[in-house]
Amino acid sequence: EVQLVESGGGLIQPGGSLRLSCTASGFTFSSYAMHWVRQTPGKGLEWVSAISGSGFGTYYADSVKGRFTVSRDNSKNTLFLQMNSLRAEDTAVYYCVKNSSGYYIDYWGHGTLVTVSS
Amino acid sequence: QSVLTQPPSVSAAPGQRVTISCFGSSSNIGNNYVSWYQQLPGTAPKLLIYENNKRPSGIPDRFSGSKSGTSATLGITGLQTGDEADYYCGTWDSNLSAGPLVFGGGTKLTVL
Repeated sequence: EVQLVESGGGLIQPGGSLRLSCTASGFTFSSYAMHWVRQTPGKGLEWVSAISGSGFGTYYADSVKGRFTVSRDNSKNTLFLQMNSLRAEDTAVYYCVKNSSGYYIDYWGHGTLVTVSS
Repeated sequence: QSVLTQPPSVSAAPGQRVTISCFGSSSNIGNNYVSWYQQLPGTAPKLLIYENNKRPSGIPDRFSGSKSGTSATLGITGLQTGDEADYYCGTWDSNLSAGPLVFGGGTKLTVL
């Protein structure tokens, strides 16, 4: 059974940093691209970042480019999202999401809430 | 503002059929497969339909998907109270300013 468990969310002041983690199990982690997708009541679901299975390819939404860094440790089946220079508009539930072998995402973690507020 | 357009809400009685539309453009739905996700209250989204009309194992055949041109439709028959949820469409987009993966704004299904 595929499981994705996020951690690292919390309350942080504007300009601060957080590192999200996602521990994966139930599949060959290194074989699949992974994404971070965030959800806010006002903006719905928003793709944030993606990383290839090898970790060599990384991709970012314009809204987070230069501030967020995605990485993975395939030896530990773990995905990361380093978030710097956080803004109020980054407040959201962040989901770790698995890409399928095709052109769709097939599993979502339970999400971790990030609140950026003074 | 979401890249894909869905109605904010739909409603129907138990046992009835409902459809949820998802409108996009040639850069996304027009040239890519569409997926649908169900988000029950307080939970994470769950894959319901992939590659326009395929169901993952465990998803009942009451759920169906279709695509035509730059729009897609999710159909649910034999509505049950347990189907009350938010439903999202998603696809890839070649217009990278929107990000490679785009979603609709979600449709809240109420089973009256």
